[in-house]
Amino acid sequence: EPEVTQTPSHQVTQMGQEVILRCVPISNHLYFYWYRQILGQKVEFLVSFYNNEISEKSEIFDDQFSVERPDGSNFTLKIRSTKLEDSAMYFCASALEGGGPYEQYFGPGTRLTVT
Amino acid sequence: SQKIEQNSEALNIQEGKTATLTCNYTNYSPAYLQWYRQDPGRGPVFLLLIRENEKEKRKERLKVTFDTTLKQSLFHITASQPADSATYLCAFLPTDGNEKLTFGTGTRLTIIP
Repeated sequence: EPEVTQTPSHQVTQMGQEVILRCVPISNHLYFYWYRQILGQKVEFLVSFYNNEISEKSEIFDDQFSVERPDGSNFTLKIRSTKLEDSAMYFCASALEGGGPYEQYFGPGTRLTVT
Repeated sequence: SQKIEQNSEALNIQEGKTATLTCNYTNYSPAYLQWYRQDPGRGPVFLLLIRENEKEKRKERLKVTFDTTLKQSLFHITASQPADSATYLCAFLPTDGNEKLTFGTGTRLTIIP
């Protein structure tokens, strides 16, 4: 069964450093998402991406964040200058279609630890 | 402000019984409501979706109801098994068709053998 993959599974970085989290969505999916989950808290939407542009973003997704689909398979989330409060589990998700009743397939997540 | 609340942080149910989880929302008119399962250290896994004009949806041992008057969804697992132990999340897509899937805090369900 096709699945969303994410690398690395765990990333440790120092405050102020840039990190890039990588995702490979399911191959025929067209809609891509990033979510984060701070330990013990709820899953929070960050951004949705379709047709090579951001379609929706939350208040969390400020200028420090950016997303890119550099080729036909990868989808990346970059945090330009990490802060301690960016420590969280980051989930990538993809869907065949968006804006409606379509299930999102989540990856296993990348645990980001900012020290 | 919009709120999604799952009433119990944790729920313990005897194996074989029906587990019922609750999701309430305020200041919101969701078009679609989804239920996900999340195991520790893993991403959410989609279980069921119900539309605002549907009262009930079933899939194997799972049943979801959606009451737009009470602003509530109930999620039932019948004949519960220890393997059903996980955190269950409700999530909403708003009526205006945007893609911002908004999650509740989750209920940690433990099925006791």
